[in-house]
Amino acid sequence: KAGVTQTPRYLIKTRGQQVTLSCSPISGHRSVSWYQQTPGQGLQFLFEYFSETQRNKGNFPGRFSGRQFSNSRSEMNVSTLELGDSALYLCASSLVASWGELFFGEGSRLTVL
Amino acid sequence: QQQVKQSPQSLIVQKGGISIINCAYENTAFDYFPWYQQFPGKGPALLIAIRPDVSEKKEGRFTISFNKSAKQFSLHIMDSQPGDSATYFCAASVQGAQKLVFGQGTRLTINP
Repeated sequence: KAGVTQTPRYLIKTRGQQVTLSCSPISGHRSVSWYQQTPGQGLQFLFEYFSETQRNKGNFPGRFSGRQFSNSRSEMNVSTLELGDSALYLCASSLVASWGELFFGEGSRLTVL
Repeated sequence: QQQVKQSPQSLIVQKGGISIINCAYENTAFDYFPWYQQFPGKGPALLIAIRPDVSEKKEGRFTISFNKSAKQFSLHIMDSQPGDSATYFCAASVQGAQKLVFGQGTRLTINP
């Protein structure tokens, strides 16, 4: 069974640009969550989608948004990039009934210059 | 109240020793406590998890101890091996939610 796939794995952007990251969950998983990982703040929850609906949202500004498609694939978008947005963005999928049992992808490493 | 505090930040243990990582939480609504292991360049992977109706859970060399009254839980790695060298994160969540609150992580190094 294929794991969670994230693309692109690495990307470099400049301040003010916007970026879109993609995530394909494990087949059969309908919940997709996004986390930001930085050395200073650790792992922080961004948002969670299930059946194309956002069910939970973390404490991030409105520049961070996401969506989920009918095939459970998800995208997240960050607009007007800031230097502090440089981070590893991790996508995780899970079965709906499994609390906390997240299966993470390898992440998309974003560098903002 | 949403924080999970993890210690130590880094830990060095000799091969064959016991590695112990501790976490504490404040939010009594948390009722699911997983531990994740992360190797460099990889995403975190679930190691073991516990619910508060159980005081201890063991899977192979890994054991979670849970103290509900103290709002603390810990991970014990017995007979630590060099392959256990990784960053370990404790986490907590509320039943039914996929939102995990993570501790800051512990970088574990097992010396051969």
